[in-house]
Amino acid sequence: DIQLTQSPSSMSASLGDRVSLTCQSSQGIGNYLSWYQHKPGKPPKPMIYYATNLADGVPSRFSGSRSGSDYSLTISSLESEDTAIYYCLQYDEYPLTFGSGTKLEIK
Amino acid sequence: QVQLKESGPGLVQPSETLSLTCTVSGFSLTSYSVSWVRQPSGKGPEWMGRMWYDGDTAYNSALKSRLSISRDTSKNQVFLKMNSLQTDDTGTYYCTRDQSILRIEELFDYWGQGVMVTVSS
Repeated sequence: DIQLTQSPSSMSASLGDRVSLTCQSSQGIGNYLSWYQHKPGKPPKPMIYYATNLADGVPSRFSGSRSGSDYSLTISSLESEDTAIYYCLQYDEYPLTFGSGTKLEIK
Repeated sequence: QVQLKESGPGLVQPSETLSLTCTVSGFSLTSYSVSWVRQPSGKGPEWMGRMWYDGDTAYNSALKSRLSISRDTSKNQVFLKMNSLQTDDTGTYYCTRDQSILRIEELFDYWGQGVMVTVSS
C-alpha cells in the first residue's frame, strides 16, 4: 500500500500567517492526491483535488501544490475557522490511503 | 440537494456482523460512485471500499475477506456488511460520493454525517 506521511503532525500559527502543510508519498502517484479538512463532529470537507485544484466553495486562500513526491496545502492568510485536522488522500491506486493528518491550531 | 445518510446499529458484539445502510438523495447511484470510509477514534480515516456507478465494486485489501458492499438503486441505497467484528473496528463510519467518474476530478465531494459504531460485549 502507498504510505502518505504528513508533517508536521500538529502546529499552531497566528491569524494572518501563511501556513503550509506537507504530505509525502512513498511512491509516485502523479497528481492523484486530494486534501480534506476535518472538524470535530462533522464529516471531512473536500478542499483540493488532483493536487492543485480547488474544490467547489473553498476559499481562495487555500491552494495545493506538488514538488516531486511532496505535496503541500497552503493557507495564504490563516483565519480562525481554519482550525481543523487536515488529511491528504492518494487515489492513484487501490487501496486509497489517507495520511495520518496535521492538526492545525490558532495561537 | 445532494444528501447521504448512514444508518445502522450503534453497538455490535465482537465476532458479529455489521450492517450499515447509506441512503442517498439528490443524485442517482447509476451516475455517481459511493465509497465507505471509517475513522477509528483518534486515528486517521481509512477507505473501506467503493460501489461504482456501474455496479462494480472495489475493496480495501485489508478488509476484503470480511467486507461486502452492495446497492439497491430503486431505493437509492448502498449497503455495507462486514463480518467478524473486533474492538478495533470501533469508529465512525461514513458514506461519501465521488464527484466524478473522471480520475483527474476524483474527489469525495459529499459526505454523510457518519454513524458511530462501537464493538463491545
